[in-house]
Amino acid sequence: QKEVEQDPGPLSVPEGAIVSLNCTYSNSAFQYFMWYRQYSRKGPELLMYTYSSGNKEDGRFTAQVDKSSKYISLFIRDSQPSDSATYLCAMSPSNTGNQFYFGTGTSLTVIP
Amino acid sequence: EPEVTQTPSHQVTQMGQEVILRCVPISNHLYFYWYRQILGQKVEFLVSFYNNEISEKSEIFDDQFSVERPDGSNFTLKIRSTKLEDSAMYFCASSHDGNQPQHFGDGTRLSIL
Repeated sequence: QKEVEQDPGPLSVPEGAIVSLNCTYSNSAFQYFMWYRQYSRKGPELLMYTYSSGNKEDGRFTAQVDKSSKYISLFIRDSQPSDSATYLCAMSPSNTGNQFYFGTGTSLTVIP
Repeated sequence: EPEVTQTPSHQVTQMGQEVILRCVPISNHLYFYWYRQILGQKVEFLVSFYNNEISEKSEIFDDQFSVERPDGSNFTLKIRSTKLEDSAMYFCASSHDGNQPQHFGDGTRLSIL
């Protein structure tokens, strides 16, 4: 049973578009949800960190968690070419130094 | 902004040799982690380390692997006898405490020949 599922894409959108990235999970013990951005030859860079269901907004980024459906999303508004990267969702059952479970990552290209 | 640094960026090693990957976590962080990412696959957890001991490890982290914090700043991953399947990107991460998310370094690409 795969813990975290993520559509690998690739996803290609025009500049200015709204992007929706999604992950589903099977383990109801997951409580903490993260989105990371990974540029080529770089490590994952933290974008958003959320706990519990609901929305969290940071600039052009909105993270959404629906625990009842075991579904999380990342929305990017007014997408820019610099947003072109691989986006990884990650989740954890607690916040006490436990391992993160990652999705496979979605490759996004924003075309100028 | 403080960051996790990893050295070397690329390590090429003959199969069967020992390799040590090095990491300098963010200075006030207390939890340390190693992950690996085989090309085209998910980032996979290897081990977490807190208070000078392993707090959690995955099935991947077998007897060939060990971690150490030899001084106040470095955190190392040792693979005693490397196999071809150990070829991957190895990421070090750290977090301040259990209430904070993990911050990753840029990784060491390990190539086993």
